[in-house]
Amino acid sequence: NAGVTQTPKFQVLKTGQSMTLQCAQDMNHNSMYWYRQDPGMGLRLIYYSASEGTTDKGEVPNGYNVSRLNKREFSLRLESAAPSQTSVYFCASSESLSVNSPLHFGNGTRLTVT
Amino acid sequence: AQTVTQSQPEMSVQEAETVTLSCTYDTSESDYYLFWYKQPPSRQMILVIRQEAYKQQNATENRFSVNFQKAAKSFSLKISDSQLGDAAMYFCAHGGSNYQLIWGAGTKLIIKP
Repeated sequence: NAGVTQTPKFQVLKTGQSMTLQCAQDMNHNSMYWYRQDPGMGLRLIYYSASEGTTDKGEVPNGYNVSRLNKREFSLRLESAAPSQTSVYFCASSESLSVNSPLHFGNGTRLTVT
Repeated sequence: AQTVTQSQPEMSVQEAETVTLSCTYDTSESDYYLFWYKQPPSRQMILVIRQEAYKQQNATENRFSVNFQKAAKSFSLKISDSQLGDAAMYFCAHGGSNYQLIWGAGTKLIIKP
């Protein structure tokens, strides 16, 4: 049982390049999330999807887009990468949007934008 | 706005000893959840323990327990009989009615053998 799988693990982009981070979960969870983690700061929510077919902005959505492709997959796209988007990105899932529903995380993607 | 503060960037403890990690939060809500997550070098965040604000009894999970002081808005994590595998970053988080978790900046826990 893989849980939450993120690809790639590492990525280096040049300013202005685009890329998509992939995330898939096999726990039949309804809700999925994208977070970024920066040094000295807590996780910050970029976008989330309460259920298949819905997406909503989180705390720091600017510069990102998401797609909930189906119940299993939730991708994050950077259309024109900027150095400020250098970070570690985490995908997570939960049974429901309730804060009582524990989050299950992937192993993260370390993105560097030069 | 809700905030979560972890005032200890780094803590160290001798193996088999007990250590307490601090967390304070600010919220105007009366019903909420609090969490401690662990992030080992593998990077994957793992839920350690959670506390429901309306429950007065402190949560316990094996060697991990919390000291929840609602009036003081304090939520500390106690790790007993520390083990080398406990070495990690520990994050405190608050979850309220808007479904979004607010995270602290983390505390790096070092275990000395």
